[in-house]
Amino acid sequence: SAVISQKPSRDICQRGTSLTIQCQVDSQVTMMFWYRQQPGQSLTLIATANQGSEATYESGFVIDKFPISRPNLTFSTLTVSNMSPEDSSIYLCSVEGGGRPDTQYFGPGTRLTVL
Amino acid sequence: EDKVVQSPLSLVVHEGDTVTLNCSYEVTNFRSLLWYKQEKKAPTFLFMLTSSGIEKKSGRLSSILDKKELFSILNITATQTGDSAIYLCAVATYSGAGSYQLTFGKGTKLSVIP
Repeated sequence: SAVISQKPSRDICQRGTSLTIQCQVDSQVTMMFWYRQQPGQSLTLIATANQGSEATYESGFVIDKFPISRPNLTFSTLTVSNMSPEDSSIYLCSVEGGGRPDTQYFGPGTRLTVL
Repeated sequence: EDKVVQSPLSLVVHEGDTVTLNCSYEVTNFRSLLWYKQEKKAPTFLFMLTSSGIEKKSGRLSSILDKKELFSILNITATQTGDSAIYLCAVATYSGAGSYQLTFGKGTKLSVIP
């Protein structure tokens, strides 16, 4: 399976600011996914990012709040904009894994706390 | 709306016990069901099941899918403290143009005490 790294691993931010989370994969992948996991909740898909095209956002998530970049086949960023305490979550990127359809492998996650 | 429900939400057992975690689902365009183990932040892949009645095994963990009754179970035998984690069930569904989407349940928090 791919090795995925995320930066930062955690951060504490003030409301109204923005944070960009980076996701790096050690191999080229077509699709990268961004999830949010709010405290006590399950993983919710924010958007799917394909290289060379606009990200596809799920219902309830908009590009102005969560802009995503996908400049190449090994890297993506998710920005959480104009943060409020409700954005406090774990943010995870994932990729499809090694010839096994439907299976996604996850990065180590970013724990965000907004004060 | 696709729905994945896991039970129980939490479970406390002693080392050596056997546990069964449940996952039921109501989705359209089912492709597969996956189990993940989440310790700290990152979920790690355990199993993917696509066919009914075929048990997947990995050491002390095993899982089976029933596509008629729309559920799956994850069994852990001879539990160890290292099995303490949140176990997530996810269902993959077709979402058009050959792509798919994962819908996750809320997870079962397993605590194994010595």
